[in-house]
Amino acid sequence: AQSVTQLDSQVPVFEEAPVELRCNYSSSVSVYLFWYVQYPNQGLQLLLKYLSGSTLVKGINGFEAEFNKSQTSFHLRKPSVHISDTAEYFCAVRASGSRLTFGEGTQLTVNP
Amino acid sequence: NAGVTQTPKFRVLKTGQSMTLLCAQDMNHEYMYWYRQDPGMGLRLIHYSVGEGTTAKGEVPDGYNVSRLKKQNFLLGLESAAPSQTSVYFCASSYDLASTGEQYFGPGTRLTVT
Repeated sequence: AQSVTQLDSQVPVFEEAPVELRCNYSSSVSVYLFWYVQYPNQGLQLLLKYLSGSTLVKGINGFEAEFNKSQTSFHLRKPSVHISDTAEYFCAVRASGSRLTFGEGTQLTVNP
Repeated sequence: NAGVTQTPKFRVLKTGQSMTLLCAQDMNHEYMYWYRQDPGMGLRLIHYSVGEGTTAKGEVPDGYNVSRLKKQNFLLGLESAAPSQTSVYFCASSYDLASTGEQYFGPGTRLTVT
């Protein structure tokens, strides 16, 4: 079985500050990892994904995430956030042969 | 290429009424999914389909039925709506489990049951 834990339900930051949204997963087999973003009143969009290869993955809108197998983590980072980054962010994991499992979400609020 | 579309966008039902939510995708995906999203609970899988004519239960299937008569469409039915089914419903699709499993989402349907 696989599971995902997003360690923070809410993250408030000021504009132009760096941010890290934390995600830990558990699985007994190799996994694919995803971050999705949901802007207010919209569906989910793929931000980035880790399939294999380089552990540092770059996504859209300046976000990146690092896969750490020993820590079973896939934290999302951005060096300088904008007001427009205010959204809910979901981490998701898929083990081989299994369906996608989502975390509970982290609400990022960027304040001026 | 519209991706994944959902109708309707909003709906208000009275307890006991029935309705059907329609999801359509034009990406020739084999897999389709219905989720519900509630505050603090993330996305929970209701039902899914691995191909035309097949459906399976997800985490929270009670009170819902689905059908996949055509590959591009996936219908979610509520036979007798309850206030506990007030939620935002998302449809998604993906190629198959042999690929990465990346899912593409529709814009959602906001359902209120009074």
